[in-house]
Amino acid sequence: SQTIHQWPATLVQPVGSPLSLECTVEGTSNPNLYWYRQAAGRGLQLLFYSVGIGQISSEVPQNLSASRPQDRQFILSSKKLLLSDSGFYLCAWSGGGFNTEAFFGQGTRLTVV
Amino acid sequence: AQSVTQPDIHITVSEGASLELRCNYSYGATPYLFWYVQSPGQGLQLLLKYFSGDTLVQGIKGFEAEFKRSQSSFNLRKPSVHWSDAAEYFCAVGGTPDSWGKFQFGAGTQVVVTP
Repeated sequence: SQTIHQWPATLVQPVGSPLSLECTVEGTSNPNLYWYRQAAGRGLQLLFYSVGIGQISSEVPQNLSASRPQDRQFILSSKKLLLSDSGFYLCAWSGGGFNTEAFFGQGTRLTVV
Repeated sequence: AQSVTQPDIHITVSEGASLELRCNYSYGATPYLFWYVQSPGQGLQLLLKYFSGDTLVQGIKGFEAEFKRSQSSFNLRKPSVHWSDAAEYFCAVGGTPDSWGKFQFGAGTQVVVTP
């Protein structure tokens, strides 16, 4: 069966520090991968998605970047964190095609102080 | 561009009462529609999905949703809520031809269940 791993679960980082969140998927190949951010009291905002290795689409201009160095690995990064980067970050995958749902990781709670 | 609207930010319901959560979408064709539930500090779990066919869809945990093309709606219902249904619920649109590989979520509805 397919599983998605996202780490760390919680992270407290100072303003101006770098960020690296990692997400890996097991049990499937060539998944679509997504990074979402959920700010307090707000819905899920799609940040990046990827339909293949090295293919990254950005939805919202921001202080973050994403990379997909391997088929089942998706990394969210920042060179210098801002206070506004605080939030709950969720990685997800889907099987591709039009009619497949997204499966989510357990999320990373990022607090920038 | 497609969009998803959940008009109710917060709903309080008594245990044992019925629940209906509203979801409206904006898209030129019939999108693929989903309902997810999120418990505090957790990821999202799929409750049900609609692609085509029967417009009344059954999901897990006793939930169902009805797709109404004329109203561009996909409302979620449960006849009798349990205290464990307290969570945040998200409607989502995904996999449409002009946004392949992307899912768009509504703002969510927080459900509080009272004794």
